[in-house]
Amino acid sequence: TQLLEQSPQFLSIQEGENLTVYCNSSSVFSSLQWYRQEPGEGPVLLVTVVTGGEVKKLKRLTFQFGDARKDSSLHITAAQPGDTGLYLCAGESGGGSNYKLTFGKGTLLTVNP
Amino acid sequence: DAGITQSPRYKITETGRQVTLMCHQTWSHSYMFWYRQDLGHGLRLIYYSAAADITDKGEVPDGYVVSRSKTENFPLTLESATRSQTSVYFCASSESERSEQFFGPGTRLTVL
Repeated sequence: TQLLEQSPQFLSIQEGENLTVYCNSSSVFSSLQWYRQEPGEGPVLLVTVVTGGEVKKLKRLTFQFGDARKDSSLHITAAQPGDTGLYLCAGESGGGSNYKLTFGKGTLLTVNP
Repeated sequence: DAGITQSPRYKITETGRQVTLMCHQTWSHSYMFWYRQDLGHGLRLIYYSAAADITDKGEVPDGYVVSRSKTENFPLTLESATRSQTSVYFCASSESERSEQFFGPGTRLTVL
């Protein structure tokens, strides 16, 4: 069974602080996706990282895929209240009838003004 | 409206009753998915469909039935609801197996 462990589970910070959340597994994934989910809504895809060691930036968000394609991190610079939400990582593996998208349990981020 | 919609948004039912959750997408996406989201478990795949009349089991299919007679609709039926099926249910669609999945707003189901 493939598992994605996200840490921390909960994070509460003040506006302007930096933070990093982690997504770790013992399994190798072909790619890793990060989603943000706001209360009462479905998850929305933020980014997909595909290559081991890849770094992608989306404004104040920096995503990194581990060299071995087993882990990923999301770093937010100068967090804002609008960044509040549940951050989910999901790993892709297999193909065809064996295709699987495995989700982590998420990190619930609260950014206080 | 364009996009992916789910109905109802909230549902309370009793143990043993049949419940159908609806999902409709306007993009003509081939793939559609049903997930449940529970505290401590994250998102888990119940069933998915690669095209009309093609469905397959996900990680937690027991107690659920799906059908897909039309590309745009993918209803999920709980034939005899149990308390363990209390959850938030999300429908999603994508153009192909590995392309971005677009999620609906969810249905919060409570089984008493």
